Parts: sequence; C-alpha cells; structure tokens
Amino acid sequence: AQKVTQAQTEISVVEKEDVTLDCVYETRDTTYYLFWYKQPPSGELVFLIRRNSFDEQNEISGRYSWNFQKSTSSFNFTITASQVVDSAVYFCALSEAVRSGYSTLTFGKGTMLLVSP
Amino acid sequence: DAGVTQSPTHLIKTRGQQVTLRCSPKSGHDTVSWYQQALGQGPQFIFQYYEEEERQRGNFPDRFSGHQFPNYSSELNVNALLLGDSALYLCASRLMSVGTDTQYFGPGTRLTVL
Repeated sequence: AQKVTQAQTEISVVEKEDVTLDCVYETRDTTYYLFWYKQPPSGELVFLIRRNSFDEQNEISGRYSWNFQKSTSSFNFTITASQVVDSAVYFCALSEAVRSGYSTLTFGKGTMLLVSP
Repeated sequence: DAGVTQSPTHLIKTRGQQVTLRCSPKSGHDTVSWYQQALGQGPQFIFQYYEEEERQRGNFPDRFSGHQFPNYSSELNVNALLLGDSALYLCASRLMSVGTDTQYFGPGTRLTVL
C-alpha cells in the first residue's frame, strides 16, 4: 500500500527566511507521480508541481524549488525568502497505478506553514 | 478557462439525513474524483468516475454513492448521515489519459452534520 509521511505538523518562520517542507513516501510501483498542493484558508487545493518517478532532476520555479531523491524516497519542497502570502497548509501526494489510467492520490497529513511579518 | 466548480459551498444537515453535493469538472476534463478531508487531515479518496461509471473506490461505506452525467459533471450522495461525516468534500478532475495525471481541485463543500 502506498503511504505519504509529512513529519512536520507546523512550521513557523519570519518573512524572508528560507523554509523546507519534508515529504517521504512508500510505494511498490516503479511508475508513479509525486505532487505538492497548497491549501490556503479558503480551502481550495492549488496544484504546485508534479514529478514522475523517472525524472529525478530538481526543479526551480521562482522562489519555489523541489528536491526529488528516489534513493531516500523523499520529495522535499523549499520556499526561498518566504512571504506572508505563503502561509497555508502544504500537502505532498502520491499517485500510483499510473499505467492503468485510473490513478488516485494518496495525501500526507499536511504541513501548516505560518509566515509572520 | 473555467476551473472545477462545486455546489453548495456550505451545508448543514442533521444525523440520519441525506445529502447531495455537485461538481462540474475543469473544461476539457472527463474524469472526476471525490475526496473527504476531515479537519486537520489530508484528503481521503472516496471514488472516481469515468464514462459514467465508478472506476475506483476508496475505503468508504456504501452510504457514499455517486453519479457522473454525460456532460462529465458529477454528484456525491451520502445517506444516513453520521456526525463523523462532517468534513470538507473536494472534487477533482483530470483528463483520462496516461501521462496527464494531474488532478485539479474545486473549492470544496463544507458539510456539517449536527
């Protein structure tokens, strides 16, 4: 069975600090996708990034960067120079059964990020 | 480009009642999934619909049922409501094609059972 663990329940930082959100996953599949979603207080899950299991290249998008390491089954998310608007709950998710097309998402419990001015 | 929409936004019901939640997928998407998110938890997969049939189901009782219409929109029905059914219900849509696995979520329906 697949599992996603986000060990950090809540992180508090001051604006402009860098912060890394950890994600560890378990799966038996060789083909899978990993995701990060952001959930602001409004409740809607906002898609941030998707990574497939064959692509371990790290990615940077503005202040966001992602570090995918298959050897440690981790997919960590770093926000550089954090801003108050980054305050939200962040979810890491895993998608298996990709080949069948009927894939579903397994989420971690989320990490609440609080950025204070 | 319209995103995923859900209705209603909020709903209050009493134990034993029945509820129907509605979802319209993102334009161009044909697959709809429903998730339940209890307070302080990550979303849990309920079921997935494609071509008007339930294709995958999570660990939820038969009180939870759904439907998909020819225009790809979907309904989630919950019968005999329990206090524990209080949660945010999220609808997600995607295109059923291997390699296009990203699901986009709607704003959710917050259900309170009293």
